[in-house]
Amino acid sequence: GAGVSQSPRYKVAKRGQDVALRCDPISGHVSLFWYQQALGQGPEFLTYFQNEAQLDKSGLPSDRFFAERPEGSVSTLKIQRTQQEDSAVYLCASTLQGATEAFFGQGTRLTVV
Amino acid sequence: QKEVEQNSGPLSVPEGAIASLNCTYSDRGSQSFFWYRQYSGKSPELIMFIYSNGDKEDGRFTAQLNKASQYVSLLIRDSQPSDSATYLCAGGGGTSYGKLTFGQGTILTVHP
Repeated sequence: GAGVSQSPRYKVAKRGQDVALRCDPISGHVSLFWYQQALGQGPEFLTYFQNEAQLDKSGLPSDRFFAERPEGSVSTLKIQRTQQEDSAVYLCASTLQGATEAFFGQGTRLTVV
Repeated sequence: QKEVEQNSGPLSVPEGAIASLNCTYSDRGSQSFFWYRQYSGKSPELIMFIYSNGDKEDGRFTAQLNKASQYVSLLIRDSQPSDSATYLCAGGGGTSYGKLTFGQGTILTVHP
């Protein structure tokens, strides 16, 4: 596609519900990143994939967060037993290997009620 | 202390003025620095990146990097109302190439 596509754009979840957020990167982009952006803050790194390999998951805040990219293209970020503090915009970014510019998707705004 | 700190905002400048946005970083391993612009409800978009000491100019935008002082800045000349947005400074490179560490952002308002 022309850009990084994320779905859904908005998600309201009841506390304790599981959610899955999807990222479809730019075709051919090897590297994929997930970030979490709380209201009024800059994005915070969650995890990084190079192709299907998850090379860095140091930013995942708890074991309730899980990400996968099984075929090296589409990625899913799953949050189990959502809590109110999980409410944020989840951004996905992709880059060509070794490239400087990361292209961001529009994000998924998650609200946990 | 956050790894990337931006000067506190919000910043308000009149149309046509120079807007100055500043950022300091603590990780000397960071090799590249990026300025992103984020309109409300939108995704960040890259304005400029810089990895060498000195100035880098692109149109109305000038990025400055001083590695000795661990300081990065963005100047916007002839500010326009359409420049009103949140500006995010980010560091990357080194051992974590591609992974970006963002500051908290500075809200810029350019008033007519």
